[in-house]
Amino acid sequence: NAGVTQTPKFQVLKTGQSMTLQCAQDMNHNSMYWYRQDPGMGLRLIYYSASEGTTDKGEVPNGYNVSRLNKREFSLRLESAAPSQTSVYFCASGRQGDQPQHFGDGTRLSIL
Amino acid sequence: TQLLEQSPQFLSIQEGENLTVYCNSSSVFSSLQWYRQEPGEGPVLLVTVVTGGEVKKLKRLTFQFGDARKDSSLHITAAQPGDTGLYLCAGAPGDDYKLSFGAGTTVTVRA
Repeated sequence: NAGVTQTPKFQVLKTGQSMTLQCAQDMNHNSMYWYRQDPGMGLRLIYYSASEGTTDKGEVPNGYNVSRLNKREFSLRLESAAPSQTSVYFCASGRQGDQPQHFGDGTRLSIL
Repeated sequence: TQLLEQSPQFLSIQEGENLTVYCNSSSVFSSLQWYRQEPGEGPVLLVTVVTGGEVKKLKRLTFQFGDARKDSSLHITAAQPGDTGLYLCAGAPGDDYKLSFGAGTTVTVRA
């Protein structure tokens, strides 16, 4: 089925470790997004990519970096994980200029 | 402080009853989106409203965008257990592409 695929689905890290969350979409969408979802706070935008080769900061970018590897893939990297980054991370995609239309099923990340 | 305030936070009703979820802001939005999210899954886009006063219907779901484009509501008629989920409204103020989400309303429909 077409859609947004995120890996891994679950991950536990120790404080200070690094990791990369992967996201790929097969709908030929130009725009891709990374959000985090925390209880009682809705989803907050971390980074956004309007097209291949471009990225822009969202509401909560500190502690994260992103790479738009090609049109299909948009990765999120935590260089030095902190307990405050414990969250559920969602990748999403959308057509050029559109808001996110398709979300992946999320990566549940716990940092001890 | 949330840019979009959703109410109520939780709603539990019996199958067959009606319900309304509200999404309010002091900002003007060029469009508002409604999503439904089920446990363990990502949000699914239900509808986008773009014109002040617009009403859109999706089977038993009715979405309304306020005349001033600052608020929206979602009304479900004759709710069914399959309507259970977290309902999220989202919008980008003005021409900003950065979508802001409300905290969501958790709806539980009991059989």
